[in-house]
Amino acid sequence: AQKITQTQPGMFVQEKEAVTLDCTYDTSDPSYGLFWYKQPSSGEMIFLIYQGSYDQQNATEGRYSLNFQKARKSANLVISASQLGDSAMYFCAMREDGFSGYSTLTFGKGTMLLVSP
Amino acid sequence: DGGITQSPKYLFRKEGQNVTLSCEQNLNHDAMYWYRQDPGQGLRLIYYSQIVNDFQKGDIAEGYSVSREKKESFPLTVTSAQKNPTAFYLCASSILAGGTGNTIYFGEGSWLTVV
Repeated sequence: AQKITQTQPGMFVQEKEAVTLDCTYDTSDPSYGLFWYKQPSSGEMIFLIYQGSYDQQNATEGRYSLNFQKARKSANLVISASQLGDSAMYFCAMREDGFSGYSTLTFGKGTMLLVSP
Repeated sequence: DGGITQSPKYLFRKEGQNVTLSCEQNLNHDAMYWYRQDPGQGLRLIYYSQIVNDFQKGDIAEGYSVSREKKESFPLTVTSAQKNPTAFYLCASSILAGGTGNTIYFGEGSWLTVV
């Protein structure tokens, strides 16, 4: 079973509008972290926002916010006031505690966002 | 400026040749990682290292090798045993290897093409 599911291969939004990118996750660990990354066409992966499983409030970073619904195991990214520069691939990822004391990231397959003027 | 530097950005390799991708970080991070990305796919973990002189296989380690002789350096060798090496390779690092809240930061990536 996939640990991270992003069901939207592509999304279109007009400039200045808000957009929500969906992410659902699967884990039995009580402690985990959820991350969103942006990958523009240049290829670099840019960290956007983090949400811890024990955090009571939804994370926000500027125009980015994370709609965290723990019971539904969803961690949707909301981008407010879209800009042309937001056009990119967006990845949801989860970090869980490993048995050996390390933890790494498991990625979804991504959502391509296109912002039109 | 602090960050993760990967080189080269673009690399062409003939079949049967080994090739090494460089990754250097000046963030003083303990943990380093190598990921592979294929078109339209998410990232898959190749190798990771928690400390100097120690590294562990990830999900797709076959055909790859790494070393960690210095804290700031984690080169990846794509060997001739890797059957489908054409991909985008991303190096990453985090302060610690453990902890679900430690953010993993990425370099700009290296494109490898087998010709």
